[in-house]
Amino acid sequence: AQSVTQLGSHVSVSEGALVLLRCNYSSSVPPYLFWYVQYPNQGLQLLLKYTTGATLVKGINGFEAEFKKSETSFHLTKPSAHMSDAAEYFCAVSDLGNTPLVFGKGTRLSVIA
Amino acid sequence: DGGITQSPKYLFRKEGQNVTLSCEQNLNHDAMYWYRQDPGQGLRLIYYSQIVNDFQKGDIAEGYSVSREKKESFPLTVTSAQKNPTAFYLCASSYSHTSNVLTFGAGSRLTVL
Repeated sequence: AQSVTQLGSHVSVSEGALVLLRCNYSSSVPPYLFWYVQYPNQGLQLLLKYTTGATLVKGINGFEAEFKKSETSFHLTKPSAHMSDAAEYFCAVSDLGNTPLVFGKGTRLSVIA
Repeated sequence: DGGITQSPKYLFRKEGQNVTLSCEQNLNHDAMYWYRQDPGQGLRLIYYSQIVNDFQKGDIAEGYSVSREKKESFPLTVTSAQKNPTAFYLCASSYSHTSNVLTFGAGSRLTVL
C-alpha cells in the first residue's frame, strides 16, 4: 500500500526566503503525486501534480516540485516566500491513479515578516 | 460556478445521536469521497464512491455510513458507534475514480458535547 511521509509538521521561514517542504512516498507501482494547500477552516486546493513525463512540475502561486524516483521524494519549493503562503500543505500519492489519494500528515508553513 | 457544497459548516451533537453531513456537487463528477481531518493526523479516507449506487470503505469506515443515490449527492452519517466523532469532515469529488485531481468542499466541523 502506498504511503506518504512529510518531514516536519511545522516550518517557519522569513518573507522572501526559500520555501522547502519535504515529502517522501512509498508506492509499489509508479506513483501519481500531488501537493495540496489548505487555508484555515477551508477545504484543500490543488497546487500541482505529477503523473508522467517531466519530473519538474510547476504549479500555482510560484510553487514547483521535482519527482525524484531514486530518492522516492517529491519536495515542494518556492524561491521567495510571501506572507500569503502561510497555510498547511499536504502531499498525497496514488498508485497509477487507480486508488484514492493517500495524504501525508501535513506541514504548517509560517511566514515571518 | 461549479463546486461542492457541504452543510452544515458547524454542527454540535450530543453523545449517542446520529448526525448526517450533506455533500452536493454540480461538477458532473462521477467519484466522490469523504475524508476526516484531525490535528496532526492529515486526511484519512472514510468512504468513497466511484459511481452512483456503489461505494467502498476507506481506512476508517467504522461508525460511519454513506449512500449514493444520486450522482450529485454523497451524504455521510456519523453514527453513535463512532467513538471519537469530533473532527473536521471534508467531502471531495473527481471527474472519475482514475482522476485524482480532487475538488474539495469547505468542510463541516462536528463537535460532540
